Amino acid sequence: LAKTTQPISMDSYEGQEVNITCSHNNIATNDYITWYQQFPSQGPRFIIQGYKTKVTNEVASLFIPADRKSSTLSLPRVSLSDTAVYYCLVGDIRDNYGQNFVFGPGTRLSVLP
Amino acid sequence: GAGVSQTPSNKVTEKGKYVELRCDPISGHTALYWYRQSLGQGPEFLIYFQGTGAADDSGLPNDRFFAVRPEGSVSTLKIQRTERGDSAVYLCASSHQGPHTEAFFGQGTRLTVV
Repeated sequence: LAKTTQPISMDSYEGQEVNITCSHNNIATNDYITWYQQFPSQGPRFIIQGYKTKVTNEVASLFIPADRKSSTLSLPRVSLSDTAVYYCLVGDIRDNYGQNFVFGPGTRLSVLP
Repeated sequence: GAGVSQTPSNKVTEKGKYVELRCDPISGHTALYWYRQSLGQGPEFLIYFQGTGAADDSGLPNDRFFAVRPEGSVSTLKIQRTERGDSAVYLCASSHQGPHTEAFFGQGTRLTVV
C-alpha cells in the first residue's frame, strides 16, 4: 500500500500559480495518482488523475516524473474560491479493495487576496 | 439523479440510540463507499460495495456499525448503541468502476451524538 506525504498547509495569493507536491516513494507499477479537492461542508471532488508524464484538464495539471516517486498538482492563477483541502491518493484502478482508497490529512491551501 | 444524495444532512441523537444514514448513489454506479470524517482529518474508509455485496468492510470500527445495499443502488449505514465518539460527518461516494477510478461524493451526513 503506497503511502503519500504532502505538506500540511500552503498559502498563496490570488492570481498566482500554486504547485502542491505529493511524495509516494513506494508507488507500485500499476498504481495511478489521483487528486481530490474538498471545500468546507462538502464531500471531496475529483480533480485529476494520471499515471506518468503530464496530464492537463480544465482545472489543473498533474506532473509526474519518470521515477513516479512524486507528483505535483499545479493550479494556474488561483482565486479565493480555490481555498480548500487537496488530497493525493495512490492506487491500482483495477484493485477491488476499498481499504486501499485511502485519504491522508491532505494539504490545506489558503488563497489570500 | 444528478449526484450522490445523502439523507439526512444533519442528525442529532442521544447516546445509546440507533441511527440509519441513507445514501442514493449516481444511477448506474456499481461501486459505493462509506467514509467518516472528523474535523481537520481526511476521510476515513469504512466499507466498499460492488453491487449488492460488501467487497471490503475492513474499515468498520466495530460490530455496532453495519451497512447494506440490498438492490445494488441505495445503501444504508446503520449504527447501533451510538457513542459520543461516533460523532462525525459520514460521507458516501459512488463510482462507475472500482476504487481509484473517479468517485463522486455526497455532501455528507453530520452525526452528533449527545
